[in-house]
Amino acid sequence: DQQVKQNSPSLSVQEGRISILNCDYTNSMFDYFLWYKKYPAEGPTFLISISSIKDKNEDGRFTVFLNKSAKHLSLHIVPSQPGDSAVYFCAASTYSGAGSYQLTFGKGTKLSVIP
Amino acid sequence: KAGVTQTPRYLIKTRGQQVTLSCSPISGHRSVSWYQQTPGQGLQFLFEYFSETQRNKGNFPGRFSGRQFSNSRSEMNVSTLELGDSALYLCASSEGAPSTKQYFGPGTRLTVT
Repeated sequence: DQQVKQNSPSLSVQEGRISILNCDYTNSMFDYFLWYKKYPAEGPTFLISISSIKDKNEDGRFTVFLNKSAKHLSLHIVPSQPGDSAVYFCAASTYSGAGSYQLTFGKGTKLSVIP
Repeated sequence: KAGVTQTPRYLIKTRGQQVTLSCSPISGHRSVSWYQQTPGQGLQFLFEYFSETQRNKGNFPGRFSGRQFSNSRSEMNVSTLELGDSALYLCASSEGAPSTKQYFGPGTRLTVT
């Protein structure tokens, strides 16, 4: 059972416009959410995160919104740039005991920003 | 600080063989997690080590194992390789406890023929 879902495998956006990547989750025990960006032949890099007690977090061109009642989060990139073209993974964290936090990832959304 | 390093970057093995992958975390990081990435399944958690102890494990068969050394370097081993084990294996390190922000290495691309 997939606990973190990214229902759009791909997204194309024009340079300068807004990119909106969506993520849904089912486990109400998730207490922290993260977005990672991955370029080919590289490992994922941390982008932005949000605690479950907040509904918005902003970092430059990147904003993450969390709607706990809908179990939905989204990543907004404004304005989109060609260098943003990558695969974006949504991840959710839950405490697994013994000081360990386990990340559960979605399958990713491939963003293409068209110049 | 140097990032997370993984060796080798690419590996080709045949069915039935075993393989060992290595991960060196960021200096000072005591937690190392391993993930398997396949096109259809995304990133799936394998296990996490902290201070040489496995403290969390995902839903993978016992053919997948790992260990961590006193310098926090970690290895994972896959025995009796199957075609379905072909994947990108990613290692991530974090400061330990409790931290949810993980730093990933570039991965080891394993191909099983």
